[in-house]
Amino acid sequence: VQLQESGPGLVKPSETLSLTCTVSGDSIDSYYWTWIRQPPGKGLEWIAYVQSTGTTNYNPSLKSRVTMSMDTSKNHFSLRLTSVTTADTAVYFCARGFGSGWVHLGYWGQGVLVTVSS
Amino acid sequence: QSALTQPASVSGSLGQSITLSCTGTNRDVGTYNYVSWYQQHPGKVPKLLIFGVFNRPSGVTNRFSGSKSGNTASLTISGLQADDEADYHCSSFRNNGTLVFGGGTKLTVL
Repeated sequence: VQLQESGPGLVKPSETLSLTCTVSGDSIDSYYWTWIRQPPGKGLEWIAYVQSTGTTNYNPSLKSRVTMSMDTSKNHFSLRLTSVTTADTAVYFCARGFGSGWVHLGYWGQGVLVTVSS
Repeated sequence: QSALTQPASVSGSLGQSITLSCTGTNRDVGTYNYVSWYQQHPGKVPKLLIFGVFNRPSGVTNRFSGSKSGNTASLTISGLQADDEADYHCSSFRNNGTLVFGGGTKLTVL
């Protein structure tokens, strides 16, 4: 399975960050699909997952600003983060759970650096 | 402030064994066996080393082993090699249905 993030590398403060993760080698109507981010020089932060059924689960600290969705026809899933600030500057990774679960992340995309700046 | 506590840095000599810690609470590490460890070389993608506290995915060397005692999970690396120099991240399921991470430990191999 391969995952590839895509989206703008620069977003202005107060605007919306939108990223897509395209999956190959697997069908997204199986498994759990996750977004993780890593601010420069810092640790990892779980953002959200979407299950193959379309059920989503969000980090409470981001829940008011985050939406995940999936498009099975394109075999990709997406992240929207509204009202961004400089604190949202990070490398954003998409990932798949290891096995049938979601808490162990066995497959990762290469990551995309998103900078929030005017 | 990360949800799980990891030392910012540790160092060890080639060939030595070293143990990295990851301390949580009874809301996460202490109650659930859903602890993972990831290795991340600079500028690279995290790699799953350990899942379910002590299980290794296929292809991960048995020099890496995981354990847990109370609210603290541990990753032991035996026979340190130069390529082990990396950042190590732990994660755990938390009882509010979320996934939490530590701040990561930078391992230097002397």
